Amino acid sequence: EAGVVQSPRYKIIEKKQPVAFWCNPISGHNTLYWYRQNLGQGPELLIRYENEEAVDDSQLPKDRFSAERLKGVDSTLKIQPAELGDSAVYLCASSSGTGSAEAFFGQGTRLTVV
Amino acid sequence: GNSVTQMEGPVTLSEEAFLTINCTYTATGYPSLFWYVQYPGEGLQLLLKATKADDKGSNKGFEATYRKETTSFHLEKGSVQVSDSAVYFCALIPLLYAGKSTFGDGTTLTVKP
Repeated sequence: EAGVVQSPRYKIIEKKQPVAFWCNPISGHNTLYWYRQNLGQGPELLIRYENEEAVDDSQLPKDRFSAERLKGVDSTLKIQPAELGDSAVYLCASSSGTGSAEAFFGQGTRLTVV
Repeated sequence: GNSVTQMEGPVTLSEEAFLTINCTYTATGYPSLFWYVQYPGEGLQLLLKATKADDKGSNKGFEATYRKETTSFHLEKGSVQVSDSAVYFCALIPLLYAGKSTFGDGTTLTVKP
């Protein structure tokens, strides 16, 4: 069974440029998460989807971040424009349910804004 | 709000040594508790979990017991191996806010031969 797939693995951009990350969750997983992990810290939830609906986006900086999950499968996270402080690893995870259901993580996209 | 506090690292041990990584939490109600492991260059993987008080999660020789009275979920292993070198994250999911997980800052473990 394929795991959560993210691309790209690494991205270096100049500040003020846009950037997008893509995530393909495990087949059949209705719940999809985007996390941001700063260096030396644990992941912080940005947004959670149940199918195609964003049910928790309270931590998403909506002035520059956007996300979509068309058809309730793949998801894209976008930053426009990027700032130096956005440098981090962006993790996507999926699970078959909420509550205590295990979340499976992708390898992440390491973003460097210069 | 919810929070997870892990012992600060890095932790360096010799092979076959005993491992303890402390984790305490603050949450409303009775959350589910998790330990995730992140090997170099890889994503987070669930190591073990416990969903109610006094439950013991175990996997690959690692154990952690959900202690409601001390709000703790310490990770232990009796004999570590070089291959256990990784970053370990303690996390919780609150009962009332399913899916809104909170992670600790991680503890880096290095095991030397």
